[in-house]
Amino acid sequence: DQQVKQNSPSLSVQEGRISILNCDYTNSMFDYFLWYKKYPAEGPTFLISISSIKDKNEDGRFTVFLNKSAKHLSLHIVPSQPGDSAVYFCAAIKYSGAGSYQLTFGKGTKLSVIP
Amino acid sequence: EAGVTQSPTHLIKTRGQQVTLRCSPISGHTSVYWYQQALGLGLQFLLWYDEGEERNRGNFPPRFSGRQFPNYSSELNVNALELEDSALYLCASTLGLAGSTDTQYFGPGTRLTVL
Repeated sequence: DQQVKQNSPSLSVQEGRISILNCDYTNSMFDYFLWYKKYPAEGPTFLISISSIKDKNEDGRFTVFLNKSAKHLSLHIVPSQPGDSAVYFCAAIKYSGAGSYQLTFGKGTKLSVIP
Repeated sequence: EAGVTQSPTHLIKTRGQQVTLRCSPISGHTSVYWYQQALGLGLQFLLWYDEGEERNRGNFPPRFSGRQFPNYSSELNVNALELEDSALYLCASTLGLAGSTDTQYFGPGTRLTVL
């Protein structure tokens, strides 16, 4: 059972427009959420995160919104640039106690920014 | 400052063989995570080591094992390779048990192909 879902495998956006990547989760016990970006043949790189006690976090062109009641988060990229073309992974952390926690990833959404 | 390094970058093996993948974390990081990204799937959590101990394990068979050395580098061993083990294996490191919100920094991955 997938606890973190990215239902759109791909997304195409015109350069300069807003990119919105969505992520849904099923476990209300997640403590923290992260977005990673991955280029082909490279490991994922951390992009932005948000604590479960917040509803918005902004870093430059990237903003993550969290709607806990809907168990939904989204990543907004404004304005989108061709260099943003990559696969974006949503991830969630659940602290299990006794120094143990799990990090669960979605399957990713491939963003293509068209010049 | 050097990031997470992994070796080798590519590897080709045949069914039934054994393989060892290596990871060096960022200096000062004590936790190492291993993930598998197979075609069509998201990142699957494999193993988590911190301070030389296995802290958590994903839903993988026992032929996937590993260890962490006193210098915090880590090995992932896969015995009796199967075709479906073909994947990109990613290593990530964090500061360790500093809290549940440690950001994971990823290496470039090792591409394993099983023929």
